Amino acid sequence: DQQVKQNSPSLSVQEGRISILNCDYTNSMFDYFLWYKKYPAEGPTFLISISSIKDKNEDGRFTVFLNKSAKHLSLHIVPSQPGDSAVYFCAARRISSGSARQLTFGSGTQLTVLP
Amino acid sequence: GAGVSQSPSNKVTEKGKDVELRCDPISGHTALYWYRQSLGQGLEFLIYFQGNSAPDKSGLPSDRFSAERTGGSVSTLTIQRTQQEDSAVYLCASTPGSGGETQYFGPGTRLLVL
Repeated sequence: DQQVKQNSPSLSVQEGRISILNCDYTNSMFDYFLWYKKYPAEGPTFLISISSIKDKNEDGRFTVFLNKSAKHLSLHIVPSQPGDSAVYFCAARRISSGSARQLTFGSGTQLTVLP
Repeated sequence: GAGVSQSPSNKVTEKGKDVELRCDPISGHTALYWYRQSLGQGLEFLIYFQGNSAPDKSGLPSDRFSAERTGGSVSTLTIQRTQQEDSAVYLCASTPGSGGETQYFGPGTRLLVL
């Protein structure tokens, strides 16, 4: 049972335009969400996060939106740059649980930003 | 460097052999995690260490998998009698403390079982 889903395996966007990556989750116990970026042959790199007490978090060109009622979050990248081309993973964890600290990841979305 | 390091970066082994994968977390980070990523899949949690103890081993797929951590630092993931389905990228991550939400990942070990 996939608790975190990224239904789009790939996305292509023109340089300068907005990239929107989507993520859905099923476990209502998740209350902290993260986005990671991964280049080939490297480990995932933390990008941005959001807790359930917020519906938006912004960091430069990156904004994450959380819709708890829909169990949906999205990552917006504006403007997109060719260096943003990577696989983006959505991840979730339950910070209220003492032992369950692992992240549950989606399957990733390959973003390609075309020059 | 100051990041998480893993060795070897690549490992090719024959079915039935044992392998050991090593993780050096960021200095001072008390929490350490092992994940694996199979081809086309997301990251799958394996085990979590807080200090030298492993309060959560729920992700280990079988008793062929084991891990230890010594001195609150280096961790070793051991896979005994490897199978072809063990082929994956094995990733290690660390966080500063037990409450840290942001996990910092190493580059991974690419394991191929022939």
